[in-house]
Amino acid sequence: KAGVTQTPRYLIKTRGQQVTLSCSPISGHRSVSWYQQTPGQGLQFLFEYFSETQRNKGNFPGRFSGRQFSNSRSEMNVSTLELGDSALYLCASSLVGVGLGNTIYFGEGSWLTVV
Amino acid sequence: AQKVTQAQTEISVVEKEDVTLDCVYETRDTTYYLFWYKQPPSGELVFLIRRNSFDEQNEISGRYSWNFQKSTSSFNFTITASQVVDSAVYFCALSEARSSNTGKLIFGQGTTLQVKP
Repeated sequence: KAGVTQTPRYLIKTRGQQVTLSCSPISGHRSVSWYQQTPGQGLQFLFEYFSETQRNKGNFPGRFSGRQFSNSRSEMNVSTLELGDSALYLCASSLVGVGLGNTIYFGEGSWLTVV
Repeated sequence: AQKVTQAQTEISVVEKEDVTLDCVYETRDTTYYLFWYKQPPSGELVFLIRRNSFDEQNEISGRYSWNFQKSTSSFNFTITASQVVDSAVYFCALSEARSSNTGKLIFGQGTTLQVKP
């Protein structure tokens, strides 16, 4: 079965712009979470959605937001981009949530470069 | 507080050598889950294993094996007879089992493994 699909894979944005990243989870998975990976901070949890509701949020500024649609697909948005937002953004899906014993599967990520 | 420590930043071995990647975790919860992921240059995190805190059985899958010891809060990963294709960054991660923690994995800093031919 298809894995977690993320689009776009690569993008370059200018400081001050906004960006929207998309994620399609594994079929049947209802929990979608997002992570940011940078060389300095490593992998950090952004937020998690289940049934169109944000259930958990990491320690990121309000410029980072997300949403989930009724088909479990999710988008994350970063507004007013800063150079430090350059990172690999990874989407992950699980049946109902990793803290409930499910395995969490990751997509290939979206490489964002802010110039 | 939750924390995962992978003390080895980089490891370099020659093909066919055995290699062990260390992972030490901290949690106050009695029920938690531990994971190992492999990240090749493409970026995707490839799931390798999940272990529940109440199951201390070691596991072997082909050339991969995992040693989980609650007494030392460690979950080490061994690759036997390493191959060039094993070259990647390996992450250990922790998830606490609670209703408020439904999507959050705490990752270690990762260990870069280079297997030379």
